Amino acid sequence: SQQGEEDPQALSIQEGENATMNCSYKTSINNLQWYRQNSGRGLVHLILIRSNEREKHSGRLRVTLDTSKKSSSLLITASRAADTASYFCATDHNAGNMLTFGGGTRLMVKP
Amino acid sequence: DAGVIQSPRHEVTEMGQEVTLRCKPISGHDYLFWYRQTMMRGLELLIYFNNNVPIDDSGMPEDRFSAKMPNASFSTLKIQPSEPRDSAVYFCASSLVPPLHFGNGTRLTVT
Repeated sequence: SQQGEEDPQALSIQEGENATMNCSYKTSINNLQWYRQNSGRGLVHLILIRSNEREKHSGRLRVTLDTSKKSSSLLITASRAADTASYFCATDHNAGNMLTFGGGTRLMVKP
Repeated sequence: DAGVIQSPRHEVTEMGQEVTLRCKPISGHDYLFWYRQTMMRGLELLIYFNNNVPIDDSGMPEDRFSAKMPNASFSTLKIQPSEPRDSAVYFCASSLVPPLHFGNGTRLTVT
C-alpha cells in the first residue's frame, strides 16, 4: 500500500508560474526523495532530504520537510513547458534503500 | 553509463502464457528492485535484492510471480500463468546508495 499521499493529484499552470506539490506520510523516515516521471519513461531522481534537514535547494527546485507534521513540499520556480511530468515523493523508512512511493502529482505547464 | 536496461519494452501476451521480464542493473550497484505501476494502485514494490539475495518479497502478489538474480548483472521477473489483471508497467531499479536509478520499464498487456 502507498505510504504517502500527494496533493494535488493534478496541477495545471502557465509557463513562468511556480508549482507547489505536497506529500504526507504516516510513519517516521530516514529520508524523503522526490522523483519525476515523463510519460512512457522511468522515474528520475530529483532531490533527497534527510530527516534532520528542513529545507534543500537544487536549481529551480526547493524541498521542505516538516517531520512533526509528516509532510514535505516540492516547489518548482519559474516553471517551463519541459517541466510537464508526474512528480512522486518516496519515503525511506529503514535506510535500506527500500522506498514507498506516493500516488504522484501530474503537472502540466502550458506554454 | 548505460543506465538500467530492461527488456522487452512492450510485451503483449494471452492469458495463461508465461512472461519473463529482464533487467540489467547499473554496474557496481548492489541493490535491485522490481516495482509495478498501475493507475489504480500506483507504484508498488514487488521484491528487492541485495548482493543477489532476495531480501523482501512481501510485495509479490501471489505464487504466480517469481524473481531471480543469478548474478550481479542480471535479474528476471517471471509470471506464470499470466492473467489480465497483471497488465501494468513493470520497473526495475538499482542503487548502491540512495537514490534509485530506474529503467524505462516493460509495459505488459495480458489479453
